Amino acid sequence: NAGVMQNPRHLVRRRGQEARLRCSPMKGHSHVYWYRQLPEEGLKFMVYLQKENIIDESGMPKERFSAEFPKEGPSILRIQQVVRGDSAAYFCASSPQVTSNTEAFFGQGTRLTVV
Amino acid sequence: QKEVEQDPGPLSVPEGAIVSLNCTYSNSAFQYFMWYRQYSRKGPELLMYTYSSGNKEDGRFTAQVDKSSKYISLFIRDSQPSDSATYLCAMREGGSQGNLIFGKGTKLSVKP
Repeated sequence: NAGVMQNPRHLVRRRGQEARLRCSPMKGHSHVYWYRQLPEEGLKFMVYLQKENIIDESGMPKERFSAEFPKEGPSILRIQQVVRGDSAAYFCASSPQVTSNTEAFFGQGTRLTVV
Repeated sequence: QKEVEQDPGPLSVPEGAIVSLNCTYSNSAFQYFMWYRQYSRKGPELLMYTYSSGNKEDGRFTAQVDKSSKYISLFIRDSQPSDSATYLCAMREGGSQGNLIFGKGTKLSVKP
């Protein structure tokens, strides 16, 4: 049973380009969460999605960032017109059908570097 | 005041020592408390999970939650060099779904 799969593991983008980060949840998991980890900082919640629905995007920057989790395929975190401050590790986590004691399992992350 | 406070360390101990890691928090609505271990350039790995107050033990690891003091702890007995990592506390309110609030993490080094 594969874990949460994220790709690419490393991504380099020039300022102004778009970054697309992919996350395939664990088998049987229908809930996906994206987190960002800046250097020397803890993980910060960005967005929570179920299939075809955004449930909570309270941690997403208002501009340039978007996320989706289509009916088929991985969840995508998209960052448009990247800036140097977007350089960070982006982690995806997934959990099964929600009960109050759900555990979230994390992927290995995508390290985005904006040059 | 941040929602979750965690001393970033670094913390260096000799092999075999008992390690104590802790976090304090301000939101009394938190009910679920977790400890994650994160090796360098890897994703967080869930170590311990506790609901409400009390203790939970798993092998060399013991998690404690004191909701009255808004204080949680992770103890590692007989620490090993392989325990060297960053330890993140995380917590969430009851009923919320996956919106975890993390501490900044404590970097632990266990010297052989």
